Amino acid sequence: SQQGEEDPQALSIQEGENATMNCSYKTSINNLQWYRQNSGRGLVHLILIRSNEREKHSGRLRVTLDTSKKSSSLLITASRAADTASYFCATDGWQGGKLIFGQGTELSVKP
Amino acid sequence: GAVVSQHPSWVICKSGTSVKIECRSLDFQATTMFWYRQFPKQSLMLMATSNEGSKATYEQGVEKDKFLINHASLTLSTLTVTSAHPEDSSFYICSASQGLAGGSGANVLTFGAGSRLTVL
Repeated sequence: SQQGEEDPQALSIQEGENATMNCSYKTSINNLQWYRQNSGRGLVHLILIRSNEREKHSGRLRVTLDTSKKSSSLLITASRAADTASYFCATDGWQGGKLIFGQGTELSVKP
Repeated sequence: GAVVSQHPSWVICKSGTSVKIECRSLDFQATTMFWYRQFPKQSLMLMATSNEGSKATYEQGVEKDKFLINHASLTLSTLTVTSAHPEDSSFYICSASQGLAGGSGANVLTFGAGSRLTVL
């Protein structure tokens, strides 16, 4: 069953702008991860935030986690056309290690 | 970094035939692999957890006789879609876990590139 819901479902921005994607989940988690998927390809791990962390940075990526609201956000700063992809959050809820993915946000960055 | 190879990347078959998809961890041992299914513009749906040397654990609603999973070694898991029908057409993605990563206590997955199955 799907755990997370993401919004927006689709986001179109100009190169150089920031992109923010949100993810909500339903049950308690051990950690939350964000993955990227280029069209017709597998997923690539971007960043992980543990349940006792509130914010994490990696390059142009900034992830926040609010466990009280069961939500997370992914911010991509100074976006590039190459950032065009679908972005998924995934939760690891102590379920034997399996990740449950959100619905995803399709990001389009126009040059 | 960790690499997972998935083969074939795409396959077209006739209705009623069986199709096997392979998932290999190239530079690490994967005691656990996961098989996902993805419909166009939708999220990944976990089908089953593949454990080396034991039976796979299937998610609710996934037919284990339809989707046969074998994890015969620490580097190879296979998914066989038996007696495929057009409704089985989908994008199938495998992923492998290296275990708890970097002391974070987290299960970070490495994904294969996916296999697109089209059943005529």
